[in-house]
Amino acid sequence: KAGVTQTPRYLIKTRGQQVTLSCSPISGHRSVSWYQQTPGQGLQFLFEYFSETQRNKGNFPGRFSGRQFSNSRSEMNVSTLELGDSALYLCASSPQTGGRETQYFGPGTRLLVL
Amino acid sequence: GQNIDQPTEMTATEGAIVQINCTYQTSGFNGLFWYQQHAGEAPTFLSYNVLDGLEEKGRFSSFLSRSKGYSYLLLKELQMKDSASYLCAVRDLLSGGSYIPTFGRGTSLIVHP
Repeated sequence: KAGVTQTPRYLIKTRGQQVTLSCSPISGHRSVSWYQQTPGQGLQFLFEYFSETQRNKGNFPGRFSGRQFSNSRSEMNVSTLELGDSALYLCASSPQTGGRETQYFGPGTRLLVL
Repeated sequence: GQNIDQPTEMTATEGAIVQINCTYQTSGFNGLFWYQQHAGEAPTFLSYNVLDGLEEKGRFSSFLSRSKGYSYLLLKELQMKDSASYLCAVRDLLSGGSYIPTFGRGTSLIVHP
């Protein structure tokens, strides 16, 4: 079974631009969570989508948004990019939401904002 | 909100045992996870605890005490490949049924010969 895939793997943008990242979960997984990882703040939860609905949301500004499609693929959008948005963005999928479901992480998208 | 503390760095010798501690403060505890993350790679799941006690899985074990807000990850028979960052994460159940997972900064474990 193929793992979680994320595209693109690397991205360079400038301040003020917007960016869309994509995540394809493991086949059969309906939950997709997004995280931001930086050296200073560590791994921080952005939001989780399950069955095309946002179920949980972390403490990030409204510039960060996402959506999930009927095939469970998910996209994350960041508008009006700031230098501080430079980070590794990880998505993780699991069969269900909540419980002791193991999350499987993708390789991440490394975003650099200049 | 949540506060999760774990040591920044630990070193150990190949073949030895190491214990990585994690303390947390949360208002609606709904499970604690441990992940391993090698440099430049994504985190991989190691363990999940929601009840007090010890969960053993091969060379790795995880312990939880909810009353003390404390967990540890025990790694036995250390191997060089165990050199990685170990992340403690707590899931906090909020009113309304939603939950927020919060991660510690991670403990960088260095295993030397």
